[in-house]
Amino acid sequence: KAGVTQTPRYLIKTRGQQVTLSCSPISGHRSVSWYQQTPGQGLQFLFEYFSETQRNKGNFPGRFSGRQFSNSRSEMNVSTLELGDSALYLCASSRQVDDLTDTQYFGPGTRLTVL
Amino acid sequence: QKEVEQNSGPLSVPEGAIASLNCTYSDRGSQSFFWYRQYSGKSPELIMSIYSNGDKEDGRFTAQLNKASQYVSLLIRDSQPSDSATYLCAVKLQAGTALIFGKGTTLSVSS
Repeated sequence: KAGVTQTPRYLIKTRGQQVTLSCSPISGHRSVSWYQQTPGQGLQFLFEYFSETQRNKGNFPGRFSGRQFSNSRSEMNVSTLELGDSALYLCASSRQVDDLTDTQYFGPGTRLTVL
Repeated sequence: QKEVEQNSGPLSVPEGAIASLNCTYSDRGSQSFFWYRQYSGKSPELIMSIYSNGDKEDGRFTAQLNKASQYVSLLIRDSQPSDSATYLCAVKLQAGTALIFGKGTTLSVSS
């Protein structure tokens, strides 16, 4: 079974631009979560989607947004990029929501560099 | 604010020794706990999950959970140099599947 895929793997942008990252979950997984990982802050939760609806949202500004499509694929968008947005963006998928034993599996990540 | 705390390390152990990694969490209602391993430049991979108080063993790995003390630990027996990585403790939000992560403990196993 194929794992979580993320595209692109690497991105270089300049301040003020916007960026869209894509995530395809494991086949049969309906929940997708996004995380930002930086050396200083570690892995931080951005948002979670299930059935095209945002279920949870982390403490990030409105410049960070996301969506999920009917085939469970998800995208996240960051507008008006800042230098501090440089990070590894990780997508994780799981089978379903509201199951204590449900487990998240991570994609390889997208490395975003903002210049 | 839900928090997960880990010692950042580095934790250094010789090959063959037992490595002990610890984690505390703030949300007393949390019920699902996970340990992920992350090699440098790679994404996190799941090692263990635990939901009930007590010990859960899987090969060389043992996860321990004490909900009364809000404490989770991971023991790695017969540590190998290939175990050298950052170990992330994660707690599931009570609703949904999203996880709150600690900042990770870096383990170094010397041969």
